[in-house]
Amino acid sequence: IAGITQAPTSQILAAGRRMTLRCTQDMRHNAMYWYRQDLGLGLRLIHYSNTAGTTGKGEVPDGYSVSRANTDDFPLTLASAVPSQTSVYFCASSDSYFGQENTGELFFGEGSRLTVL
Amino acid sequence: GQNIDQPTEMTATEGAIVQINCTYQTSGFNGLFWYQQHAGEAPTFLSYNVLDGLEEKGRFSSFLSRSKGYSYLLLKELQMKDSASYLCAVKDSNYQLIWGAGTKLIIKP
Repeated sequence: IAGITQAPTSQILAAGRRMTLRCTQDMRHNAMYWYRQDLGLGLRLIHYSNTAGTTGKGEVPDGYSVSRANTDDFPLTLASAVPSQTSVYFCASSDSYFGQENTGELFFGEGSRLTVL
Repeated sequence: GQNIDQPTEMTATEGAIVQINCTYQTSGFNGLFWYQQHAGEAPTFLSYNVLDGLEEKGRFSSFLSRSKGYSYLLLKELQMKDSASYLCAVKDSNYQLIWGAGTKLIIKP
């Protein structure tokens, strides 16, 4: 099935632990994004990648890092998790970076619910 | 600062019509999106407006007025499956997406 796959779907971890959320897409999209979604707030961009080999910081990048070694994979790492990083994380992709060359419809993964205790 | 406003929650009756409003203040404008998000699921694309006017797609329509910084999503012939959150997002002059907090729509039989 074409689309975006995220793993794990849910995770509880202790503060201070390292955690990597995985994201893989099979649509050959150039751009990929990581968002967090918290109650009462709009989706907030953490990091993005215009194309394989490049990454950029979004609105709330502190405490997170990403890499884009190839077109399909875009993992998000929390080096040392803190309780404020408890959230639902969505990976997304689009043909081009935020639709600079087209409408820019985003395709989202099913989300990873992370709880940091 | 940049801001997207939409009502937090709305309630409507099955079979009726509901209009969800979105007002925005952004640095520039390169399009407005509506996404639907069922509880516990991923957001999915509903509509995109870049020019003023009404875009109709089946039971869903989206309207845009750039001069007023205003959009609405109109849902007709409401069905129980339309119970979801509806997210408004604006693409600013730097092509960054600014998201509203979403409107939770509750459909009652």
